[in-house]
Amino acid sequence: GAGVSQSPRYKVTKRGQDVALRCDPISGHVSLYWYRQALGQGPEFLTYFNYEAQQDKSGLPNDRFSAERPEGSISTLTIQRTEQRDSAMYRCASSLEEGTSGRGSYNEQFFGPGTRLTVL
Amino acid sequence: GQNIDQPTEMTATEGAIVQINCTYQTSGFNGLFWYQQHAGEAPTFLSYNVLDGLEEKGRFSSFLSRSKGYSYLLLKELQMKDSASYLCAVDRDDKIIFGKGTRLHILP
Repeated sequence: GAGVSQSPRYKVTKRGQDVALRCDPISGHVSLYWYRQALGQGPEFLTYFNYEAQQDKSGLPNDRFSAERPEGSISTLTIQRTEQRDSAMYRCASSLEEGTSGRGSYNEQFFGPGTRLTVL
Repeated sequence: GQNIDQPTEMTATEGAIVQINCTYQTSGFNGLFWYQQHAGEAPTFLSYNVLDGLEEKGRFSSFLSRSKGYSYLLLKELQMKDSASYLCAVDRDDKIIFGKGTRLHILP
């Protein structure tokens, strides 16, 4: 596709349920990032991948959160046993070059529309 | 660790000039991004600075001083559509870290 897509756009779930959020990056983009963004705040880094390898997951809040990108393209962020505090906008971004390549604008991240998660 | 500071909110008048400052303290610094984010939308790329100095792109310019850990985004000839949040983001060796953003309000 022309841009980064995410699905679902909105997800309402009950506390304790598992959710899976999908990100489809721009074709050919090497790196894929997951962020969480609260209202009125900047994106908070969760994790990122170069190709299929998860490079950094230091931003994942706890072990209920996990992410994978098995074929180096589509990625899934999974939240197990959701809690109300998990409610937020989850954004995905992709970039042409490897994150940490230091090649400046090639690291420009293109953001998807986000998934608004609400945990009741 | 890292620390990125930018003002929470600013107000300016249509047609005027506004400067949004960003200071940072971080290790492994590669460069600095500025992104624009309209309410309810995804952030979009504005600029990337690696070297010290001013980079101009139309009505928007971005400045970086690596030694001072300081950057600013300069918006000229403000238009109502410039009402948005402006995010400063540090490109580190290991990841990109965003500031909390500055909400810019434009008055007619």
